[in-house]
Amino acid sequence: GNSVTQMEGPVTLSEEAFLTINCTYTATGYPSLFWYVQYPGEGLQLLLKATKADDKGSNKGFEATYRKETTSFHLEKGSVQVSDSAVYFCALSDRAGGTSYGKLTFGQGTILTVHP
Amino acid sequence: GAGVSQSPSNKVTEKGKDVELRCDPISGHTALYWYRQSLGQGLEFLIYFQGNSAPDKSGLPSDRFSAERTGGSVSTLTIQRTQQEDSAVYLCASSEQGGRYGYTFGSGTRLTVV
Repeated sequence: GNSVTQMEGPVTLSEEAFLTINCTYTATGYPSLFWYVQYPGEGLQLLLKATKADDKGSNKGFEATYRKETTSFHLEKGSVQVSDSAVYFCALSDRAGGTSYGKLTFGQGTILTVHP
Repeated sequence: GAGVSQSPSNKVTEKGKDVELRCDPISGHTALYWYRQSLGQGLEFLIYFQGNSAPDKSGLPSDRFSAERTGGSVSTLTIQRTQQEDSAVYLCASSEQGGRYGYTFGSGTRLTVV
């Protein structure tokens, strides 16, 4: 079946540090890949996405590249801010040979705390 | 509507009672999903609707849980004879084209069973 594995957290950084959160996946079909973010007390928001191999998703200074050869979708940001403190979830949606995509499969989430 | 709307936002119920959680998806979104988020369990998939049918209900944890969708729009998740382990945040999401391009989540219903 499908699965998503994220790096263990929590991650604590100083402001302006470089961020990487690793994500690898297992899928049986042709997945779309996503990063979602959950700020304290809020719901899940789509941060970025990539729908095919070698696509790069980007938003708010965050980037992730769909690497089919390594089945990875690592999240990066060059200079984090205190406001980036949140929980980050990697996820996939897999067509699995059909014409419709079904459920999102989520990683376990990574808590990021950025200190001034 | 502009976003996915869930109601109530908070629900406290006594053990053994039935509860109904409502989700109003974005207008025109044909796919609708229910998830559960609880401490230590992360995000669990419950059920997926395409239109009014549910091709994947594999995540419903027991026969106390059921869901329906009418008119290709509003969905209701019903939990019968609630137990304390049902306490969690129940999230609804909707999408176009079955979710290939992303899903929009509602703010969730926080259910507390006492």
